[in-house]
Amino acid sequence: GEDVEQSLFLSVREGDSSVINCTYTDSSSTYLYWYKQEPGAGLQLLTYIFSNMDMKQDQRLTVLLNKKDKHLSLRIADTQTGDSAIYFCAESSPGGGATNKLIFGTGTLLAVQP
Amino acid sequence: DVKVTQSSRYLVKRTGEKVFLECVQDMDHENMFWYRQDPGLGLRLIYFSYDVKMKEKGDIPEGYSVSREKKERFSLILESASTNQTSMYLCASSLGQSSYNEQFFGPGTRLTVL
Repeated sequence: GEDVEQSLFLSVREGDSSVINCTYTDSSSTYLYWYKQEPGAGLQLLTYIFSNMDMKQDQRLTVLLNKKDKHLSLRIADTQTGDSAIYFCAESSPGGGATNKLIFGTGTLLAVQP
Repeated sequence: DVKVTQSSRYLVKRTGEKVFLECVQDMDHENMFWYRQDPGLGLRLIYFSYDVKMKEKGDIPEGYSVSREKKERFSLILESASTNQTSMYLCASSLGQSSYNEQFFGPGTRLTVL
């Protein structure tokens, strides 16, 4: 199937690290994405990783990709209250190069406790 | 600056009414998308368009139609609104055929059907 799976909820304390996990379905996806949705807003691209990479780091964000297990994770170091949001992972639709569709996960609500 | 705008942030309609949701992008993108977002279900694709006057069904097209008469504008139409169409509706756009297909999102329209 085309389900991209995420856990629904994660609660962390301010200053701790957060790890949000995602399992995707299509091993041929060229890019995988992490989007952030703040309350009452649309989605914004947070970061992405090319499929030939195992890791990508961008300031407080670290993306890990395990292609064998089709597992993607997003680590946020020194989590702040402003990081509270819903995080979506997304993969390119299988065979979807011509249509550019993305398949989104269910989203993980990250709650940061002060 | 990249921008996707949606005609309304909040909308309240009655069962049986015809509802139009408008989306405009200023990035000259070929692809445009309509999603609905419901808690625990993530984003589900309703319809998308890869060119003017072209449209394709997504995963949940029943009860909806779309119109793309100009490249920058993509409209979602609920021919006869029903209570189960109460949801958050998100519009997005992306460039044409490319392996990197970041989607840019509007702020969303929260529709309530009474």
